Amino acid sequence: RKEVEQDPGPFNVPEGATVAFNCTYSNSASQSFFWYRQDCRKEPKLLMSVYSSGNEDGRFTAQLNRASQYISLLIRDSKLSDSATYLCVVNPRYSSASKIIFGSGTRLSIRP
Amino acid sequence: NAGVTQTPKFRVLKTGQSMTLLCAQDMNHEYMYWYRQDPGMGLRLIHYSVGEGTTAKGEVPDGYNVSRLKKQNFLLGLESAAPSQTSVYFCASSLGLAGGRNTQYFGPGTRLTVL
Repeated sequence: RKEVEQDPGPFNVPEGATVAFNCTYSNSASQSFFWYRQDCRKEPKLLMSVYSSGNEDGRFTAQLNRASQYISLLIRDSKLSDSATYLCVVNPRYSSASKIIFGSGTRLSIRP
Repeated sequence: NAGVTQTPKFRVLKTGQSMTLLCAQDMNHEYMYWYRQDPGMGLRLIHYSVGEGTTAKGEVPDGYNVSRLKKQNFLLGLESAAPSQTSVYFCASSLGLAGGRNTQYFGPGTRLTVL
C-alpha cells in the first residue's frame, strides 16, 4: 500500500459545481497535512494546510479524519481557473525533512 | 524577491554525460530540497539540506550528488546520466523544517531528458 494515495482522476465537473476529493495516508502517526496545487507544467504551490479542526479559505475547505486516516478537499462554486492537479502532502513527523510524502495528485478539470 | 529560481529550464543529455542543476533562493531559507517528479509517481525527495555546508539523502539519492556551499544555493549533480533520470526536477526551500507552519516554496522546475 502506498503511504499516500490519491484518486488520479480526472474529475471533470461543470463550472459552478461543488467537487470533493480525498487523500488517504497509511501512517497513523502523521503530524501535518497539506494540499498543494500544481498547474500544468508548473511548480507546486501551497493551497492550504489541513488542521485537525478543519479549515476553510474562501471556496476551499480542507478536513482531516484521523480515525479513517484521510484528508479531504472541497471546492465550492468551482471556477475554470480551479482546473489543476491537487497534491496531497503528509509529514509523518516534524523531526525529519526526508519523511515528507507527496501524493501523485488528483487532476481536476472544470468545463464551461 | 525572485523566490526560488532554477537553471537550466530544459536540458537534453546523452547517456553518460554529466551536468549540474543550480537552485538559488533569495528568502534566506535554511532548508533546501531537490525533488524529481515522474508521471503517476508524485514528487520524490532526492537530497536535502538543513543549512549551509550540510546535505542529507532523501528517498531516491542514487546517481545524484549535491552541494550547499552557500546558503542561497543548492546544486544537484548527475555524474553519469542514465535514461532513468529523465524527469522534471524541482528545487524547493523552506524557512524551517517543512511541515507545521513552514511552507515549502518551489522553483519552476528543470525538464531533463536523457537519451
